[in-house]
Amino acid sequence: KAGVTQTPRYLIKTRGQQVTLSCSPISGHRSVSWYQQTPGQGLQFLFEYFSETQRNKGNFPGRFSGRQFSNSRSEMNVSTLELGDSALYLCASSFSQGASEQYFGPGTRLTVT
Amino acid sequence: AQSVTQLGSHVSVSEGALVLLRCNYSSSVPPYLFWYVQYPNQGLQLLLKYTTGATLVKGINGFEAEFKKSETSFHLTKPSAHMSDAAEYFCAVSYNDMRFGAGTRLTVKP
Repeated sequence: KAGVTQTPRYLIKTRGQQVTLSCSPISGHRSVSWYQQTPGQGLQFLFEYFSETQRNKGNFPGRFSGRQFSNSRSEMNVSTLELGDSALYLCASSFSQGASEQYFGPGTRLTVT
Repeated sequence: AQSVTQLGSHVSVSEGALVLLRCNYSSSVPPYLFWYVQYPNQGLQLLLKYTTGATLVKGINGFEAEFKKSETSFHLTKPSAHMSDAAEYFCAVSYNDMRFGAGTRLTVKP
């Protein structure tokens, strides 16, 4: 079974721009969660989608948004990028929502200049 | 609300020595507990998990962890460290969502 894939792997954007990251979950998994990882803040939960609905949301500003499609693929969008948004963005999929074990993709490294 | 505390942001052991990475959790309900490992420039890989049942959980690469409810702990151990174990390790607790500890970076000296 193919693992979680994330595209692109690396991205460089300018402050003020917006960016869209993509995540394809493991086949059969219906839940997708997104995390931001930085050296200072560690791993922080962004949001979780299950069956195209946002089920849970972390403490991030409204500039961070996401969606999930009927095939369970997910995208997250960050608008009006700030320097502090530079991070590794990790996507994780699981069979069901909430407490299930999660399988992570390799991440997208976003650098904002 | 649940949370996780990992004691020690850096742990250094010699090759062949015991590995002990500490994790304490806080949860108002019986938790699901996980250990993940992250190698440089990669995502997180599940090492092992505790949901219910046997409190000693065996994972991949020779790691195991013991759930101790009385101590609210879920420490990760490996009897003999290998150079390839050098990585960052994350403990996580899950109820409605997954909460991760700050991570422990394991260094293995030859």
